[in-house]
Amino acid sequence: ELKVEQNPLFLSMQEGKNYTIYCNYSTTSDRLYWYRQDPGKSLESLFVLLSNGAVKQEGRLMASLDTKARLSTLHITAAVHDLSATYFCAVGGIMNRDDKIIFGKGTRLHILP
Amino acid sequence: SAVISQKPSRDICQRGTSLTIQCQVDSQVTMMFWYRQQPGQSLTLIATANQGSEATYESGFVIDKFPISRPNLTFSTLTVSNMSPEDSSIYLCSAGGGRIDNEQFFGPGTRLTVL
Repeated sequence: ELKVEQNPLFLSMQEGKNYTIYCNYSTTSDRLYWYRQDPGKSLESLFVLLSNGAVKQEGRLMASLDTKARLSTLHITAAVHDLSATYFCAVGGIMNRDDKIIFGKGTRLHILP
Repeated sequence: SAVISQKPSRDICQRGTSLTIQCQVDSQVTMMFWYRQQPGQSLTLIATANQGSEATYESGFVIDKFPISRPNLTFSTLTVSNMSPEDSSIYLCSAGGGRIDNEQFFGPGTRLTVL
């Protein structure tokens, strides 16, 4: 059974600090997604990582993928309050199912002003 | 990016009734999906909505309870049948993904409360 594990599940941090959210998955995959969800809102697509060593950056967020280690990271640089949200990683292209993606439990990020 | 709309945005229903949720995408997409999200929880895939054929359901979800239609490449419906309070949740439609589209986008969700 595929498992997608995120840690930490909850993170409270000060503005201006750096931190990393980790996403481990248990089987071979060819796509890794990161989403942001604000309270009461839907999911916003942040990054899609398609290959080993892929790195993508948008503003203060940077995502990377190591398919050999089955690990993706979402790094936050100099956090600001506006980044407070829940961040989900999701894994796709698994078990010969092109369509299916499996979500982690999410990391609830709270950035203190 | 695809823009996805859902109707209704929320509803309060009585036990034993059924509700149909509509999902409209602003462009043709290969894949459409239905998810369920309990408050404060992650997303669980209910099924893949296949155009012109029966939906592909995930373990724990059955067609009799969650019939799905997808008459064309931009529209799908999910019906929650014979509802019970345990069906109270947010239901999300998504589109795209897979090796063709790669990126998968989500609709705003339908918040369902069953009394």
